[in-house]
Amino acid sequence: QQQVKQSPQSLIVQKGGISIINCAYENTAFDYFPWYQQFPGKGPALLIAIRPDVSEKKEGRFTISFNKSAKQFSLHIMDSQPGDSATYFCAARGTDSWGKLQFGAGTQVVVTP
Amino acid sequence: GAGVSQSPSNKVTEKGKDVELRCDPISGHTALYWYRQSLGQGLEFLIYFQGNSAPDKSGLPSDRFSAERTGGSVSTLTIQRTQQEDSAVYLCASSYGGPGSGNTIYFGEGSWLTVV
Repeated sequence: QQQVKQSPQSLIVQKGGISIINCAYENTAFDYFPWYQQFPGKGPALLIAIRPDVSEKKEGRFTISFNKSAKQFSLHIMDSQPGDSATYFCAARGTDSWGKLQFGAGTQVVVTP
Repeated sequence: GAGVSQSPSNKVTEKGKDVELRCDPISGHTALYWYRQSLGQGLEFLIYFQGNSAPDKSGLPSDRFSAERTGGSVSTLTIQRTQQEDSAVYLCASSYGGPGSGNTIYFGEGSWLTVV
């Protein structure tokens, strides 16, 4: 049973466009929401993370929007570049299970030149 | 080392054989994690070690899977009597302390296991 639901499964965006990936969760004990970026043959790498006490966090071209009441959060990649082509995973961790990051199924993003 | 190191990077084994996968965490990191990633899927939590505390084994899929961490550093994930459904990438990760605020979890590049 997937505790974090991620969509879309894949998306294609033109260079310079905005990529948007959405995640939803049910467990109200979740208190930490990271996004990971994974290139083929590599392990996931932390991209950006947010806590539920803020509604938005921005780092460079990457922004997390968080809606606590709807139990949803999303990643926006502004001015998408071909080098952003990768698989993106949202994740969540709860105060009831410190070591256990629950991951979404992933979104494969392809940025066309 | 500079990052989380895993070996072997690739392993092909026959169904029914036992395999051992090794993880060297980043020096000084007290927390170590094992995840499994099947083709095109998300990451599935397997086990978590934190310092000298009892590990959280709640993600191990069956009693054929076990893991240990010696001396608070290197970890070995053992899969006994491998099955074809065990084919996946096994990812190890580590962090300084638990996965709390500011404690980034760093992943290795994984051990790709194929059971034939």
